[in-house]
This record gives sequence, structure tokens and C-alpha cells, in this order.
Amino acid sequence: DAKTTQPTSMDCAEGRAANLPCNHSTISGNEYVYWYRQIHSQGPQYIIHGLKNNETNEMASLIITEDRKSSTLILPHATLRDTAVYYCIVRPANNAGNMLTFGGGTRLMVKP
Amino acid sequence: DVKVTQSSRYLVKRTGEKVFLECVQDMDHENMFWYRQDPGLGLRLIYFSYDVKMKEKGDIPEGYSVSREKKERFSLILESASTNQTSMYLCASIRESSYNSPLHFGNGTRLTVT
Repeated sequence: DAKTTQPTSMDCAEGRAANLPCNHSTISGNEYVYWYRQIHSQGPQYIIHGLKNNETNEMASLIITEDRKSSTLILPHATLRDTAVYYCIVRPANNAGNMLTFGGGTRLMVKP
Repeated sequence: DVKVTQSSRYLVKRTGEKVFLECVQDMDHENMFWYRQDPGLGLRLIYFSYDVKMKEKGDIPEGYSVSREKKERFSLILESASTNQTSMYLCASIRESSYNSPLHFGNGTRLTVT
């Protein structure tokens, strides 16, 4: 299964866009990219996922490069409540959740 | 909205006690999972279940068992709690075995074994 690489931490000013990168250079053609976040002492929260097209929902936008080897999660107007650890994961095609690999993630600190 | 509910947010148990962690989901999901999360180790899969009365071992099943008597409920059992089982336990469920469905997590149970 494909692995992901994310920066350990990032800062963002409140009200500005937060752009969180993820590398997944070994991704297979039918594997989706998923993003979750985890606020301290809570369970991971699903944010967004995509295959190859850019996606947007009420929480965020997901930009996937044409070669699918990397992606960026965009929080358009970060708030203090967006401070969390953000996980980028790749979902193998032949399973549900039994082979999900959550790495270290990116600790996003939104500052006033 | 999918809701995955774990019965306790915080638990403190003594070494040797039998511990039950309960998880209920309200969206008729077939698949349910138990993970533990420890600093520096990420999420590790303990057990999962694809259907009622079915269970499969994950990466770290030792010291744990599970029960799935009803579709909506998946229980994790620590037969004899030990201090190295102090951790955050996360339950999750998913609609079907498809990579186009997100996994939904509960809010976790932080278990301390003394």
C-alpha cells in the first residue's frame, strides 16, 4: 500500500488559507487520497477525499496533482478551531479500514 | 450524519480487571474496527468485523478479544488489563468495503490501567 509523507508541523495565521501538503509518490491508479484531522483528545474527523479530480466541500478543498503523486488540503479561512493534527492517507483498493495507515500527520497551529 | 458512539470518554481500571469498551454506530454499517492510538506509534488496528458474529485479528490482537452480537454494536474486551494497555482506544465504522466510503470514528476512550 502507498505511504504518505507530510511535514511534521505548520503554522497559519487566523483568517488566512492553510495549505497542507502531502506526498504519495507510490500511489496506485485506483487508490483514493483521504484527509482526516484530529483535535486534541478526540477521534479523527473525516474531512475530504478524492481520486484524481479536485474536490471541495464545506470544510476544505483538495487539490491533487495530475500525476497523483502529491496533494494539498486547503482550509480557505483558518480559524483557531482548525488547530489539529491533519492526516493524509491513501486507501488501498482491496479493503475498507483494516489496512489504513495513519502516519504522524501535520500538526497545524492556527495563531491569532 | 453518521454517529459512532463510544460509551466512555475516560476509564481508570486496575491491573487484572476485565474491561469492556463499547461502541455503537447508527448507520447500519457492516464494517467496524477497534484501534489504539499511542504517541509516536500512530493508529494500530486491534480487531475488525465485517458482519455480525464475524471478527478478524488486526495487527495487535494480543490481550484483546471482541464481540459483535448485533450489527450496530462492537465491543472490545480486555480479558485481564495490564499497564501496557493504557492508551486511547478508537472505534470506527464504514458503510461497505469500498474505497469510496470514508471511515467514521468515535471520540475515543482514554483508558488508564494502574
